[in-house]
Amino acid sequence: QKEVEQDPGPLSVPEGAIVSLNCTYSNSAFQYFMWYRQYSRKGPELLMYTYSSGNKEDGRFTAQVDKSSKYISLFIRDSQPSDSATYLCAMSPPDSWGKLQFGAGTQVVVTP
Amino acid sequence: EADIYQTPRYLVIGTGKKITLECSQTMGHDKMYWYQQDPGMELHLIHYSYGVNSTEKGDLSSESTVSRIRTEHFPLTLESARPSHTSQYLCASSATGGKNTIYFGEGSWLTVV
Repeated sequence: QKEVEQDPGPLSVPEGAIVSLNCTYSNSAFQYFMWYRQYSRKGPELLMYTYSSGNKEDGRFTAQVDKSSKYISLFIRDSQPSDSATYLCAMSPPDSWGKLQFGAGTQVVVTP
Repeated sequence: EADIYQTPRYLVIGTGKKITLECSQTMGHDKMYWYQQDPGMELHLIHYSYGVNSTEKGDLSSESTVSRIRTEHFPLTLESARPSHTSQYLCASSATGGKNTIYFGEGSWLTVV
């Protein structure tokens, strides 16, 4: 069983819609949660970083962590065609610096 | 924006050849990592280093080796490439302390024929 589960998609939305992404995990020791964006044939780019539970907002992006449910979410408001990419969730326990567990990624397609 | 560079970006090589994937970062980060990613699959950690002369194997077993002689440089070597080594290899780095944020390079796509 994978430690991190993520729906691979593809998730297709019209321009301007809200994109909703999520991951579930099984390791209760995870405390650092990240979302990366990866364009085709490129390296992952860090979008959001959250420690423990709660919400974090940065521009059009909102990350939520619910540790009681072992569930994290990323919301993208006012989606643009340039948001079309694969979104990866990643997480780690506090004593595993840089040794992240990744989801398989959700492919998002924003249509004009 | 992260300053971490990988070369070559794309490589097609024959079975049995020795290859080295280069990775350099200009951010002075102590920690560096190599992740492997097959298309549509998760990234898996194959090697990491917490500083000069420090290297450890990651969660995913790999026949590759790494070295860390300089802080900014973390090359990965395959002594004898096989088709099963065909994959994308991503180098990353992070600073000690503060946020546990990892910055990735653009990746090296390796095809062994």
